[in-house]
Amino acid sequence: DAGVTQSPTHLIKTRGQHVTLRCSPISGHKSVSWYQQVLGQGPQFIFQYYEKEERGRGNFPDRFSARQFPNYSSELNVNALLLGDSALYLCASSLSAGGSTGELFFGEGSRLTVL
Amino acid sequence: QKEVEQNSGPLSVPEGAIASLNCTYSDRGSQSFFWYRQYSGKSPELIMFIYSNGDKEDGRFTAQLNKASQYVSLLIRDSQPSDSATYLCAVNAGGFKTIFGAGTRLFVKA
Repeated sequence: DAGVTQSPTHLIKTRGQHVTLRCSPISGHKSVSWYQQVLGQGPQFIFQYYEKEERGRGNFPDRFSARQFPNYSSELNVNALLLGDSALYLCASSLSAGGSTGELFFGEGSRLTVL
Repeated sequence: QKEVEQNSGPLSVPEGAIASLNCTYSDRGSQSFFWYRQYSGKSPELIMFIYSNGDKEDGRFTAQLNKASQYVSLLIRDSQPSDSATYLCAVNAGGFKTIFGAGTRLFVKA
């Protein structure tokens, strides 16, 4: 079975632009979470979607938005890019929305560079 | 106070030794605890999870949980150079958000 797939793997944008990152979860997983990882730090929680509904949002500005589609794939959108948005964006899928079956399985990430 | 705290390291151990990685968390309601391994330039990979107080062993890895002390640890026996990576402690309080520590870098010297 395929794992979590993310696209694109690398991208370069300039300040003020918009970016869309995509994620397909493991087959059978209904939950997708998005994390931002800056070099030298742990992943920071951005969003979780479960059964196509937003179940949680981290401490990120409204420039960040996401959605989940009927096939459980997901998109993360970031508007008005800032230099500080440069990071590895990780998508993780899980069977449930959290708790005892909340093991996260990560994709390889999308590395965003903002110039 | 950070929600999940880890010593950033680096922790350096000789090949064959036991590596001990530690983590503390602030939310007493936390229910699920995870250890992820992240190689440089790669994404995190789940290696252990533990839900109950005590020890859980899986091959060369042992996770230890003490909820009263809000403390989680990971022991790696017979450390190998291939174990050199950053180890992330993660905690879930039963909801939608899993919180990660900043990670501990481990170097295993051949």
